[in-house]
Amino acid sequence: GAGVSQSPSNKVTEKGKDVELRCDPISGHTALYWYRQSLGQGLEFLIYFQGNSAPDKSGLPSDRFSAERTGGSVSTLTIQRTQQEDSAVYLCASSPSVNGQPQHFGDGTRLSIL
Amino acid sequence: KNQVEQSPQSLIILEGKNCTLQCNYTVSPFSNLRWYKQDTGRGPVSLTIMTFSENTKSNGRYTATLDADTKQSSLHITASQLSDSASYICVVSRETSYDKVIFGPGTSLSVIP
Repeated sequence: GAGVSQSPSNKVTEKGKDVELRCDPISGHTALYWYRQSLGQGLEFLIYFQGNSAPDKSGLPSDRFSAERTGGSVSTLTIQRTQQEDSAVYLCASSPSVNGQPQHFGDGTRLSIL
Repeated sequence: KNQVEQSPQSLIILEGKNCTLQCNYTVSPFSNLRWYKQDTGRGPVSLTIMTFSENTKSNGRYTATLDADTKQSSLHITASQLSDSASYICVVSRETSYDKVIFGPGTSLSVIP
């Protein structure tokens, strides 16, 4: 497709379960970002991938969160042993380069932890 | 501390009216400032991007201004339409850290008939 695609669009799971969120960036975009958006809050940076460089994981809130990007394209964000405070919308964005380019966002995965 | 603040938090205007949204930032060193529009249930979409040397940039009925001296930006919406109802987010990038941007909390705009 032409835009950033995220799946699933909605995910409801029980506390303590692991979840995996997927992001398909725009083809050819070398930079990929994950953000978390809690209700009524601004976007919170989680992790950033740029080409083959080591990812910037400085925004991950705990060691329960991890992400990988295979082949420089698709990325998955994994949350282990989910907690209720993990409930939020998880947004993925990609851009063709880092400097000055706007990020193109997917529509997010709305995660609800029961 | 690098921060981005927006005002008002929410705004309701009548269709056809103009409005101006404000963004103040303390991010340094500054690289660029972007305004995004986020419809409910959708991801943000870029409206404008402005660098240090740019004072005004327009995108249709949206006009953004930037005063790098006072570290303020505004987004002016002309002749509002119902479809303008959304959250408008101001985003600032640091010169030394292009890859990490700082998001404002957004202004929620409701345009009513």
